[in-house]
Amino acid sequence: GQNIDQPTEMTATEGAIVQINCTYQTSGFNGLFWYQQHAGEAPTFLSYNVLDGLEEKGRFSSFLSRSKGYSYLLLKELQMKDSASYLCAVRDPDSGAGSYQLTFGKGTKLSVIP
Amino acid sequence: EPEVTQTPSHQVTQMGQEVILRCVPISNHLYFYWYRQILGQKVEFLVSFYNNEISEKSEIFDDQFSVERPDGSNFTLKIRSTKLEDSAMYFCASSEVGRGFQPQHFGDGTRLSIL
Repeated sequence: GQNIDQPTEMTATEGAIVQINCTYQTSGFNGLFWYQQHAGEAPTFLSYNVLDGLEEKGRFSSFLSRSKGYSYLLLKELQMKDSASYLCAVRDPDSGAGSYQLTFGKGTKLSVIP
Repeated sequence: EPEVTQTPSHQVTQMGQEVILRCVPISNHLYFYWYRQILGQKVEFLVSFYNNEISEKSEIFDDQFSVERPDGSNFTLKIRSTKLEDSAMYFCASSEVGRGFQPQHFGDGTRLSIL
């Protein structure tokens, strides 16, 4: 089975740094994705980790520890437009069919306040 | 930047009726997916499609659901006899390849409301 846990809600101040954690217990693992989803809109891709360590991409960084089943998304220099839900998703291993489904967590709703 | 497009943006249908949701994946992508998101809940995988056949499907994707790629550009999800619990946002996604770095790119979704 698949189980992905994230905090439900977080609040942070404009200009600050926020870390959104994700823990997972899955039957297999082939990479972890972070998506941003504004209310009523599509998820948009932010970052991808398949090996342990930190991946940096502008104001966003993502970290993975496979042995701990743990990832975090770090957002720096927060802006009001960063208010959104952040979805942690684990990609299932290749079943042999060549496609890879994503299993999503429930998402963390981040509110950025002035 | 190329994007996944979905139509309609909102579909209202009577329970028991058939509905077809349409998607145009990014043109050079080979893998196609449908996900759904019930209001306030997480995004859930329905089905993946590659090389003109279903690759994987979830428990949600029962006999009432079908997918089709009727031509070189469209990818459709059909729900044969809709139920109230089918009300959700349905997202189409596509990826260039199935493995490696390539992320799945999502369309803006179709909000399906069953009355």
